[in-house]
Amino acid sequence: DGGITQSPKYLFRKEGQNVTLSCEQNLNHDAMYWYRQDPGQGLRLIYYSQIVNDFQKGDIAEGYSVSREKKESFPLTVTSAQKNPTAFYLCASSVFTGNTIYFGEGSWLTVV
Amino acid sequence: DAKTTQPPSMDCAEGRAANLPCNHSTISGNEYVYWYRQIHSQGPQYIIHGLKNNETNEMASLIITEDRKSSTLILPHATLRDTAVYYCIAGATNSGGSNYKLTFGKGTLLTVNP
Repeated sequence: DGGITQSPKYLFRKEGQNVTLSCEQNLNHDAMYWYRQDPGQGLRLIYYSQIVNDFQKGDIAEGYSVSREKKESFPLTVTSAQKNPTAFYLCASSVFTGNTIYFGEGSWLTVV
Repeated sequence: DAKTTQPPSMDCAEGRAANLPCNHSTISGNEYVYWYRQIHSQGPQYIIHGLKNNETNEMASLIITEDRKSSTLILPHATLRDTAVYYCIAGATNSGGSNYKLTFGKGTLLTVNP
């Protein structure tokens, strides 16, 4: 089945620990994105990547890092510098930036 | 991206058509209208998009006014599984431009009642 796979679905971490969220797509899309969603709110862009080995900051990149070493993979690391990391994280992809964006199922991160 | 305005909530009876409105009065000529929906604790699901002509697919129909300042998403026979938050987004260029910032507002919570 083609699609975007995020893992894990639920993740609990202690404050001060870094955590990495996985995102894999088999759609052969060039562009990939990470969004954050807080309860009852819209989506905010963290990082995006237009092509392998390239990525750009979105609106709320502080405290996050990404890599794009392979076309199909775009992992997101939530670092200890992120002040309020507890949120729902969404990975997405599109054929290229400017094309319809498709989302994964999301990952819930709770920091205690 | 053009700003969009949607009602915060709507109700619909199961089996009836659900008509979800969206205002996007500042939309520019090359900006598309996209609709997504999000069921609680899941990723947003793409529904449909259009530029100026009405569009229909297996999920829904999109009616865009002639002046493009508003649109309506129509779910022809709503089911309980259509209960979700529906987002209207205007601004994606769909032409290799920088639509990376799909700006999702708070959308419309559609509740389909039995």
